[in-house]
Amino acid sequence: GAVVSQHPSRVICKSGTSVKIECRSLDFQATTMFWYRQFPKQSLMLMATSNEGSKATYEQGVEKDKFLINHASLTLSTLTVTSAHPEDSSFYICSAPSDRGGNGYTFGSGTRLTVV
Amino acid sequence: GEDVEQSLFLSVREGDSSVINCTYTDSSSTYLYWYKQEPGAGLQLLTYIFSNMDMKQDQRLTVLLNKKDKHLSLRIADTQTGDSAIYFCAEPLEGSARQLTFGSGTQLTVLP
Repeated sequence: GAVVSQHPSRVICKSGTSVKIECRSLDFQATTMFWYRQFPKQSLMLMATSNEGSKATYEQGVEKDKFLINHASLTLSTLTVTSAHPEDSSFYICSAPSDRGGNGYTFGSGTRLTVV
Repeated sequence: GEDVEQSLFLSVREGDSSVINCTYTDSSSTYLYWYKQEPGAGLQLLTYIFSNMDMKQDQRLTVLLNKKDKHLSLRIADTQTGDSAIYFCAEPLEGSARQLTFGSGTQLTVLP
């Protein structure tokens, strides 16, 4: 149980275009979704926290107009990278509290974004 | 703020034990976690330990917690090539809505 399905797993897009990444909780309700960015060989950096039915909370230094987050339902949160540039190329991972013992968290499988 | 530290690399021979260490800063953390990340994949919860425990064993995994020194370790017995991955320790961010703070990750390489 407690699966977060993240799509796409890999995407290549041209500079200036927008890319949407979806995370769905398959067997539980995710009222909160954390969105992380991970650079090669580095740890996860929290970008924003989305809450169902309200505005997302962005971490300092993260442009909210560039990284649009929508959490319209209890099972779906989306991250849209708008007007993507090569420096946005990264690995993006979502995570939701899932109460899998120890107040656990379930992670999506990640999206590798390459902007060319 | 919270700072979770890990060594970056560890190499072991197949069949040996691996010990990955982590230090954390928030003594009020209720749970501490170990996650595994394989190349190009998300994070998989390996195990967790409640703060009132000193040790937790789950098959080949043993977690030791030293609250006095704020030190957490993960021991993998009989390490296999499939254990090669990055291992992150994590603790909840104090005062947050269940947000986690991650260590830098330890790249474990298992040599044949």
